[in-house]
Amino acid sequence: QKEVEQDPGPLSVPEGAIVSLNCTYSNSAFQYFMWYRQYSRKGPELLMYTYSSGNKEDGRFTAQVDKSSKYISLFIRDSQPSDSATYLCAMRGYGQNFVFGPGTRLSVLP
Amino acid sequence: DAGVIQSPRHEVTEMGQEVTLRCKPISGHDYLFWYRQTMMRGLELLIYFNNNVPIDDSGMPEDRFSAKMPNASFSTLKIQPSEPRDSAVYFCASTKRELVSYNEQFFGPGTRLTVL
Repeated sequence: QKEVEQDPGPLSVPEGAIVSLNCTYSNSAFQYFMWYRQYSRKGPELLMYTYSSGNKEDGRFTAQVDKSSKYISLFIRDSQPSDSATYLCAMRGYGQNFVFGPGTRLSVLP
Repeated sequence: DAGVIQSPRHEVTEMGQEVTLRCKPISGHDYLFWYRQTMMRGLELLIYFNNNVPIDDSGMPEDRFSAKMPNASFSTLKIQPSEPRDSAVYFCASTKRELVSYNEQFFGPGTRLTVL
């Protein structure tokens, strides 16, 4: 079993839809949880970061962490074609060993 | 302000040849990371440095891989000898404490390596 699991997709939704992206993990030492977005042929860029269990909202994006279930989610409201990208969850403990999920490829169709 | 700079952007080489990938982190960042990304294995951390010192190289696949950071503005990842299974996109990333407690890494554009 991989440390971080993520549905690889691809996921296709119409413009304006609500998108739910999810990751599960097995290492209870993970303390920091991130979502990175990667456009085609580019490096990943940080979208959101959370530390504790609960929800964090930033514009159209909401990150949710449930440490008891070892489950994190990213919700995108009113999805736009510009949101089409691969979304990578990432997590780490107190060190700098980032572990990335395999990524979910999202296409938002106009 | 320039981002993370990587060179070359593309590299095609033959099996058995030495490959050197280069990275210039963002000025002022004290952590530097090397990653490899493939369709099969996703984005994998190979090694990271703090203040030019290698901290964890447990992700380096085997002795054919080596990395150095001779100063704060330059790092290399070397593969010798290269093999077809090394074909991947190699990313360099850097960060500092002020970037949401190190959680925001800035990635370079990547080097797409093809070993024939």
